[in-house]
Amino acid sequence: GAGVSQSPSNKVTEKGKDVELRCDPISGHTALYWYRQSLGQGLEFLIYFQGNSAPDKSGLPSDRFSAERTGGSVSTLTIQRTQQEDSAVYLCASSHDGTYSYEQYFGPGTRLTVT
Amino acid sequence: ILNVEQSPQSLHVQEGDSTNFTCSFPSSNFYALHWYRWETAKSPEALFVMTLNGDEKKKGRISATLNTKEGYSYLYIKGSQPEDSATYLCASPTGSYQLTFGKGTKLSVIP
Repeated sequence: GAGVSQSPSNKVTEKGKDVELRCDPISGHTALYWYRQSLGQGLEFLIYFQGNSAPDKSGLPSDRFSAERTGGSVSTLTIQRTQQEDSAVYLCASSHDGTYSYEQYFGPGTRLTVT
Repeated sequence: ILNVEQSPQSLHVQEGDSTNFTCSFPSSNFYALHWYRWETAKSPEALFVMTLNGDEKKKGRISATLNTKEGYSYLYIKGSQPEDSATYLCASPTGSYQLTFGKGTKLSVIP
């Protein structure tokens, strides 16, 4: 079956512009996660959606970051007024549910470069 | 241990050599330990999800062990091949509801 897809694969934007990153999870997966990896750093958790529950936004680094998940499927991560420190690979993952017993399936990522 | 830590940061081995690396994680309130392989230009791919102390899992030439009491897991690769070259990530919940990932061990297998 289809895996997790993300778009765009690469995004170059000017400082101060807004960007939207999209994630299509595996069909039937109720849990969806956003991570980012900055240069030289590990994977950093950003936000987590589980079914119809309120999202866990505890990892969002600032109020410039927000995310939505519509209809329990597609998710969009929005970064407003981008800064150079936002440059990173943004990864989306989904899993069967939000318990730790299930592995996460990752998309190919979006490489964001803020100039 | 307050965070998920991996060692070594990078590793170069000759083709055919066996190797192993370590993941350390908080042993209190343990739920699960995940291992992922992340090849360049690809998505991270799950290798193992381990939940029981003493658990040992195997997939081909790769295996992993888990010690939840002391908070460590080892990943072993037997007879390394060039296609094993990747960054190996481990992850475990640490004080929140989400997985915390280590920075990974970058393995390079020299033909």
